[in-house]
Amino acid sequence: EADIYQTPRYLVIGTGKKITLECSQTMGHDKMYWYQQDPGMELHLIHYSYGVNSTEKGDLSSESTVSRIRTEHFPLTLESARPSHTSQYLCASSGPNLAKNIQYFGAGTRLSVL
Amino acid sequence: GESVGLHLPTLSVQEGDNSIINCAYSNSASDYFIWYKQESGKGPQFIIDIRSNMDKRQGQRVTVLLNKTVKHLSLQIAATQPGDSAVYFCAERGINNQGGKLIFGQGTELSVKP
Repeated sequence: EADIYQTPRYLVIGTGKKITLECSQTMGHDKMYWYQQDPGMELHLIHYSYGVNSTEKGDLSSESTVSRIRTEHFPLTLESARPSHTSQYLCASSGPNLAKNIQYFGAGTRLSVL
Repeated sequence: GESVGLHLPTLSVQEGDNSIINCAYSNSASDYFIWYKQESGKGPQFIIDIRSNMDKRQGQRVTVLLNKTVKHLSLQIAATQPGDSAVYFCAERGINNQGGKLIFGQGTELSVKP
């Protein structure tokens, strides 16, 4: 069982609001990731981090931003939410063993922007 | 560019039968592959992985086969149970690794009939 937690699980907000999706892991993993997933579709990487103070944009362009001030915490922020941001956001982490790069996922945050 | 795709979006099997879920990948240089299971309302859960120097790996009721000649990956589930109903994703890691990034395929929804 992976120790990675996302809050909130569900969020319904109005257009223009600023939101932060939380992600924390207690496994001491150096690498963390954010994916966006529409229902029944594949996962698209939007941000990742190799460690503290490291953040990179993923393969799918996103208006969100991330920070990595602490190893265990990797929050994602949307400054001004829009209906096009409606989706599921999944956080994952992986350890230093690159021979077996298993990413462990949180339960996700399902975001609806009205 | 790199892509990972699944042949069939849905698969329906009878309880007790064996299931085979297929995946095609385009990057012949990928060195590591993972299968994930995603149940409704949950994040993806690791099932089994395989490195490119192997062609078969077995777990509990699951087997992954890798055919590098035709760039094909499959997941076999023995004696499929109702609890196996989920969406299954394959993912690959490119040879350049880039910090352990994975590329996910489209997903196959497995439905188990009692």
